[in-house]
Amino acid sequence: GAVVSQHPSWVICKSGTSVKIECRSLDFQATTMFWYRQFPKQSLMLMATSNEGSKATYEQGVEKDKFLINHASLTLSTLTVTSAHPEDSSFYICSARDSGLASYEQYFGPGTRLTVT
Amino acid sequence: RKEVEQDPGPFNVPEGATVAFNCTYSNSASQSFFWYRQDCRKEPKLLMSVYSSGNEDGRFTAQLNRASQYISLLIRDSKLSDSATYLCVVNERAGGGADGLTFGKGTHLIIQP
Repeated sequence: GAVVSQHPSWVICKSGTSVKIECRSLDFQATTMFWYRQFPKQSLMLMATSNEGSKATYEQGVEKDKFLINHASLTLSTLTVTSAHPEDSSFYICSARDSGLASYEQYFGPGTRLTVT
Repeated sequence: RKEVEQDPGPFNVPEGATVAFNCTYSNSASQSFFWYRQDCRKEPKLLMSVYSSGNEDGRFTAQLNRASQYISLLIRDSKLSDSATYLCVVNERAGGGADGLTFGKGTHLIIQP
């Protein structure tokens, strides 16, 4: 089946630093990837839609200058949390859809747990 | 505003029992519907898509009621391994591909031996 990887699995960083999270589709190509965030006991919230070769589309309330998204290839999207603060601590999950299939199923990565101290 | 509402539970159910829970969605234009399962501190995994005609996959049955805007999930002969959080997921576009998904907060299910 389709596999999506994320790195790192978890990261602890100091306030003010930037953190980059990678999302890769390992055995399929993904024109579109999605970035979600989940706070404890909350639902996953879509942050942005990442489109290969073009600018990401951000959901209302998500700062595009703080959460930089780059989707430079059909198998890789990156999310950079710039100048991270403790309130950015969360579980970040990406998903991808196989561009070559008629199925619209989204495959999720294992998530990245970010803790900002 | 897109909203998906679920009873958070927890539902404590003895092993072997049948359990069902519902979810309601606010956007009548929603086109595709899913149930995902999420284990503690893990990513969500697709359990099943929900079709207008209803669908069954082994012990799991999903139903969609467009008129009342709710989706249901029925689990028969529950197993200990069914313990998880079940997420109701809705997308406005058919197939759920071109747009992100809207997740409910999930219903926490605990199967007791």
